[in-house]
Amino acid sequence: GAGVSQTPSNKVTEKGKYVELRCDPISGHTALYWYRQSLGQGPEFLIYFQGTGAADDSGLPNDRFFAVRPEGSVSTLKIQRTERGDSAVYLCASSLTGGATEAFFGQGTRLTVV
Amino acid sequence: GEDVEQSLFLSVREGDSSVINCTYTDSSSTYLYWYKQEPGAGLQLLTYIFSNMDMKQDQRLTVLLNKKDKHLSLRIADTQTGDSAIYFCAESMGEDKIIFGKGTRLHILP
Repeated sequence: GAGVSQTPSNKVTEKGKYVELRCDPISGHTALYWYRQSLGQGPEFLIYFQGTGAADDSGLPNDRFFAVRPEGSVSTLKIQRTERGDSAVYLCASSLTGGATEAFFGQGTRLTVV
Repeated sequence: GEDVEQSLFLSVREGDSSVINCTYTDSSSTYLYWYKQEPGAGLQLLTYIFSNMDMKQDQRLTVLLNKKDKHLSLRIADTQTGDSAIYFCAESMGEDKIIFGKGTRLHILP
């Protein structure tokens, strides 16, 4: 595609429910990043994929958060037992080979947990 | 630890220069970045600088890096209404995670 695509653009869920957020990176980009941006804050790193494997998942806040990229393209961020504090914009970025200087960000998914 | 600090607000008259400042703590950072975020739009990389450089200019944008003081600044010459946005200072050590500041909201006065 022309850019990084994230779906849905908005998601409202009830506390305790499970959600999946999808990221379609730019075609051919091997590196993929997930960030979380809470209101009034800068983006906070969650996880970085190089191909199918998670090269760095040190930013995942706890074991309720999990991300996969089974074929090295589309990635899904999964959040179990959602809490109100999980409400944020979840941003995805991709880069051709894995350089943050060439990372392109998507528009994000705004998650609201009620 | 890694931390990036920047002031939260800046107001500038149209046509004047804007200077947004940032300090960072990680001396091993390889790259330092400035991102722009407009309402309803994604994060846009404006410019970046290698840690072994002290200045980079790109049209109306000038980045200054003082590595000794761990201080980064972004100067926007001839500020225009379209420059109104949130500007994020960020650092990284290469292909891995980018550490962002909280952002500076730039407001343009007529």
